[in-house]
Amino acid sequence: EAGVTQFPSHSVIEKGQTVTLRCDPISGHDNLYWYRRVMGKEIKFLLHFVKESKQDESGMPNNRFLAERTGGTYSTLKVQPAELEDSGVYFCASSQDLLSSGNTIYFGEGSWLTVV
Amino acid sequence: SQQGEEDPQALSIQEGENATMNCSYKTSINNLQWYRQNSGRGLVHLILIRSNEREKHSGRLRVTLDTSKKSSSLLITASRAADTASYFCAWRPGGATNKLIFGTGTLLAVQP
Repeated sequence: EAGVTQFPSHSVIEKGQTVTLRCDPISGHDNLYWYRRVMGKEIKFLLHFVKESKQDESGMPNNRFLAERTGGTYSTLKVQPAELEDSGVYFCASSQDLLSSGNTIYFGEGSWLTVV
Repeated sequence: SQQGEEDPQALSIQEGENATMNCSYKTSINNLQWYRQNSGRGLVHLILIRSNEREKHSGRLRVTLDTSKKSSSLLITASRAADTASYFCAWRPGGATNKLIFGTGTLLAVQP
């Protein structure tokens, strides 16, 4: 069974450009999450989808970030325009059921973004 | 802030020694989990301990949880060079939320 896959694995862009990160969750997982770790700091929650609906987007830093999950399958996270402080690793994760049922959340390898 | 802390921030030991990492959190929790991140790689789930459990074992890993002190510890016994990685605790706060809050992480280096 394929795990959570993310693309691109690494990206270097200039300040002001746009980058779109993609995440394919484990097949059948309705719950999809985005997290990020910037500047070697803590890993922080960005948002949570249940199927195509945004269940919780309380961690989205500002309106330069747009996440979508059309059709409830893969998700994209767009950063436009990118700023230097957006550099870091963006993790996607998925789970079959809500975490309240004790289910494990599976993380992808991350998309490593460098803004120069 | 709901963020917690881990200590030590960095730990260097010799192969065969035991490594202990501590995690403190600030909210009530449903469960607490430990993850490993090898350099440049993704997060790998290691172990989950529920709020009504006090200790859990998995192979060379031993996790304890003290909800009265809002703290957890991860013990890796008989460490190997391949255990070199960053280790994070993460918890799901109590209440109607499905997000994980992560600790600051401990960077473990196991010298061969």
